[in-house]
Formats: sequence, structure tokens, C-alpha cells
Amino acid sequence: QQQVKQSPQSLIVQKGGISIINCAYENTAFDYFPWYQQFPGKGPALLIAIRPDVSEKKEGRFTISFNKSAKQFSLHIMDSQPGDSATYFCAASIGGGADGLTFGKGTHLIIQP
Amino acid sequence: EAGVAQSPRYRIIEKRQSVAFWCNPISGHATLYWYQQILGQGPKLLIQFQNNGVVDDSQLPKDRFSAERLKGVDSTLKIQPAKLEDSAVYLCASSLEHSRGYEQFFGPGTRLTVL
Repeated sequence: QQQVKQSPQSLIVQKGGISIINCAYENTAFDYFPWYQQFPGKGPALLIAIRPDVSEKKEGRFTISFNKSAKQFSLHIMDSQPGDSATYFCAASIGGGADGLTFGKGTHLIIQP
Repeated sequence: EAGVAQSPRYRIIEKRQSVAFWCNPISGHATLYWYQQILGQGPKLLIQFQNNGVVDDSQLPKDRFSAERLKGVDSTLKIQPAKLEDSAVYLCASSLEHSRGYEQFFGPGTRLTVL
């Protein structure tokens, strides 16, 4: 059972544009929702995370929007740059992030110059 | 601050052979995780340790996989015997509680190819 569904599988955005990746979850016990960025040959690195008591969190060019009633959350990358080209994973956890993460299948993002 | 260290970075083995991976978490991190990342998929949790005790091993195929964390620091993950479907990147992560909650830091992973 896939508990976190991520879309799209791949995404091409022009430099300077907005990249949007969406995730939906099923388990209402999840209380921590991070986004990870992974480059080839590297481990995932935390980008930004949100808890369900807020609807939006912004850090630099990265914003998470969270809709608790719809059980959905999304990552917005503003002013996308070629260096943002990577695979992005949404994830969810119980226990405020202390428990193991359940990951989506990932989105391969390409930013065209 | 040094990151999570893993070794080896790559292993190629024949099916039915055994293999072991090693992880050294960030100093002071009490919680350690092993994830399996199959090509084209997100990481899947295999086992979680709190200090040297197992918190969650519900997704660990215990007939062939084993893991230990002696003295609550380094950890090893073993596969015996390996199957073709075990080909994946094995990621180790560690976490520490801070004012904003928990953050998991991942190592570079060990890429296993089973022939």
C-alpha cells in the first residue's frame, strides 16, 4: 500500500519559472511532511518541512503548501534555476519526524536554461 | 560537522552470496535508520534504531536481512543470501531532536548490484 502518492513523475520547467510538485497522503496519523532533494550519487538532503498546524511555509525560493482536509501538500520552487535540476521526494512521518519516513516515488525535475 | 559515513560505496556480488554494509552516524545522533532505495523509487525504511535498541523493523525481510547497532553508534546491515531483487542503494540516516523537531540526515549510500 502506497501511503504517499507523488506527481508528476517528471517535470520540465524553463529557467525562472515556477516548479510545482504535488503529494497526497492517506494516513491521518502523519504529523510531519518534509521534502527532500537528491542529486545523482548522493543521499537525499532535507529542503523544507511542515507540520499540519500551518498551511504554508516558505524558505527562500521554496514554499510548502499544506491542505489538511484534502490530505495534500505541494512544493513550489520559485524562480527555478538549472542548479535545481534533481529528483525531489515528498515524505511523511509520525512522531514529529522521529519515526521512519514514508517517501513518495519522486519527481525528476529538469530546469532548462 | 561531519556527515553520515557509509562504506563501501559500491558492491557487486553474485546471487546467494552475502554482503554487509557499514554506517557511522553523525556524532551524538541517537536514532539511526536504514533505507532501501530501488532505482526509480523513493527510499523505503528497513529498520530504525534508538541508541542500540530496535524501534521498528516491520519492513525488514528478516529471513535474509539483519542489522545491529553495537554500543549505540555504528551500525551494520547484512544480507544473506542475496537475491536479484536486492539490487538497490542502501541509505543510512541519523537524526537528532532539536527545537524544530527531528531532521534526518542521509549518508551517500551503498549501491548494491546482485548478478
